Amino acid sequence: QQQVKQSPQSLIVQKGGISIINCAYENTAFDYFPWYQQFPGKGPALLIAIRPDVSEKKEGRFTISFNKSAKQFSLHIMDSQPGDSATYFCAATGSARQLTFGSGTQLTVLP
Amino acid sequence: KAGVTQTPRYLIKTRGQQVTLSCSPISGHRSVSWYQQTPGQGLQFLFEYFSETQRNKGNFPGRFSGRQFSNSRSEMNVSTLELGDSALYLCASSSNSGKGNTIYFGEGSWLTVV
Repeated sequence: QQQVKQSPQSLIVQKGGISIINCAYENTAFDYFPWYQQFPGKGPALLIAIRPDVSEKKEGRFTISFNKSAKQFSLHIMDSQPGDSATYFCAATGSARQLTFGSGTQLTVLP
Repeated sequence: KAGVTQTPRYLIKTRGQQVTLSCSPISGHRSVSWYQQTPGQGLQFLFEYFSETQRNKGNFPGRFSGRQFSNSRSEMNVSTLELGDSALYLCASSSNSGKGNTIYFGEGSWLTVV
């Protein structure tokens, strides 16, 4: 199976709150898990990525948590800002070098 | 360092026509891949090229084709356009053939088929 399942489909958070987006995968051959941020009319921009040999990676306000045994990973956005309002995609790839994307989460951060 | 450049950004075509989209990868990147993005199907992989060779192909009909040139620039072609081909077509590049390399996307080409 090549699917990556992402939830929630949409998320509304107050400014300063924590946004959490979850993804689950099936293919155990996946070994690289990036998150992309996409603004309307723009291409996806890489936010942060993780490999399965670590359980957490933090870059600024963005943290990926990875649970290899559960085949799940999540994005946490701390101190969410209105400028973070965008669509977020999780993805996974392995030796095939093609990204399999989740269905996306539309994040709205209220001022 | 310039990012991934795609042309044209917007285009409108008629059913039955064909279209060619162009992509210039980040300088030094030899892997170029293409994705289709639609509201209904999300982001789907079309194909990937490395050193002018197609290494991987997604589940799209043969009307979708591509090629890569010796300078790593790539083109994709869609023949006999259908209304359902209306989408954002994204090109992405990465540095080499290794797995797990960072993949960078361009701004995309918006195709509308009428």
